Amino acid sequence: GAVVSQHPSRVICKSGTSVKIECRSLDFQATTMFWYRQFPKKSLMLMATSNEGSKATYEQGVEKDKFLINHASLTLSTLTVTSAHPEDSSFYICSASPAGVLETQYFGPGTRLLVL
Amino acid sequence: GNSVTQMEGPVTLSEEAFLTINCTYTATGYPSLFWYVQYPGEGLQLLLKATKADDKGSNKGFEATYRKETTSFHLEKGSVQVSDSAVYFCALSDRQAGTALIFGKGTTLSVSS
Repeated sequence: GAVVSQHPSRVICKSGTSVKIECRSLDFQATTMFWYRQFPKKSLMLMATSNEGSKATYEQGVEKDKFLINHASLTLSTLTVTSAHPEDSSFYICSASPAGVLETQYFGPGTRLLVL
Repeated sequence: GNSVTQMEGPVTLSEEAFLTINCTYTATGYPSLFWYVQYPGEGLQLLLKATKADDKGSNKGFEATYRKETTSFHLEKGSVQVSDSAVYFCALSDRQAGTALIFGKGTTLSVSS
């Protein structure tokens, strides 16, 4: 089946630093990738949708200058949390759609970010 | 707007018990409905889906029927196993409105032997 990987799986950083999270589709080409944030005991919150080669579309309330998304190829999207603060600590999950059909999404295992 | 509401957890059951996790939705168009499962330490996996009214999705002994009249998509399993312990998410996608997946808050299921 379709596999999506994320790296790193876990990261701890100091407040003020930037962290980059990679999302890769391993065995298919992903025209669309999604980034979610999952809070404890809360649902997944869609942060942004990115299409290969174009700018990401951010959901209302998500700061695009803080959460930089790059979808440079059909198999790789990156999320960079800039100048991270403790309130950015969360579980970040990406997903990928193989054929631009938004309802077909394969999810990565997630990245746990802890900002000290 | 579109939204998904699912029952609050956690749900704690003994092995071989019957499981129901309620899910209702609101949608302006004609959504597809999904159940995803997240096992401990893993990413979300599609469990089952239904794309139109009266469709029944099924997988691994789990079933859910798309009920348009009650706007529901309840998840059921006749006999749960310890290995079913996970977080279950109900979700919808409204293709006509062009929306991506909208998730419920998730229900944690814990099955003991």
